[in-house]
Amino acid sequence: QVQLQESGPGLVKPSETLSLTCTVSGGSISNSFWSWIRQPPGKGLEWIGYIYHSGSTNYSPSLESRVTISVDTSKNQFSLKLSSVTAADTAVYYCARRTTVNRFYYYMDVWGKGTTVTVSS
Amino acid sequence: DIQMTQSPSSLSAFVGDRVTITCRASQSISSYLNWYQQKPGKAPKLLIYAASSLQSGVPSRFSGSGSGTDFTLTISSLQPEDSATYYCQQSYSTPLTFGPGTKVDIK
Repeated sequence: QVQLQESGPGLVKPSETLSLTCTVSGGSISNSFWSWIRQPPGKGLEWIGYIYHSGSTNYSPSLESRVTISVDTSKNQFSLKLSSVTAADTAVYYCARRTTVNRFYYYMDVWGKGTTVTVSS
Repeated sequence: DIQMTQSPSSLSAFVGDRVTITCRASQSISSYLNWYQQKPGKAPKLLIYAASSLQSGVPSRFSGSGSGTDFTLTISSLQPEDSATYYCQQSYSTPLTFGPGTKVDIK
């Protein structure tokens, strides 16, 4: 059974770069899409972007100028970098697997537990 | 971007009640609609995909319906463990977008 685990610093200074890694266990990172989603305190869910195991990406336009998602198939990991962070980037960050059925329908069916990142000096 | 709205924003119901949550998309999304349940301090859990398909392992009291712009999530007989926030999410086009959530409490 595939499991995901986020890791990275819980505190990032304003203007710096947030870096998180998601480790995939119990299965291969190949042949799937992998997503990052975040949730500010007390608020709803925001999709950040996803990456295919080949490295192709799709980002939310609202974050695209600051986001990079990458994959390391040798380590069964994918990563998120968000540059020039502000307090508005304070959130729980989740990684998730995107699964496709019937060629067109897709959903996020496996989620990490989430990691809290606070942006503060 | 496709905007998702949900109603009500919160509700309170008795154990055994039938509960319905509505989700509306700002444009037609066919059946590209998923529902998630999130409990406090936990990651979201997939309940329904493609508007009406029940995810494996999810109790059959959960069901989804709709297509185009209007969708519903129904809990046929509310249980204490169903206390949570429910989100709809469209997968018709990127950026993927979620509804603002509906908080369900038990009376």
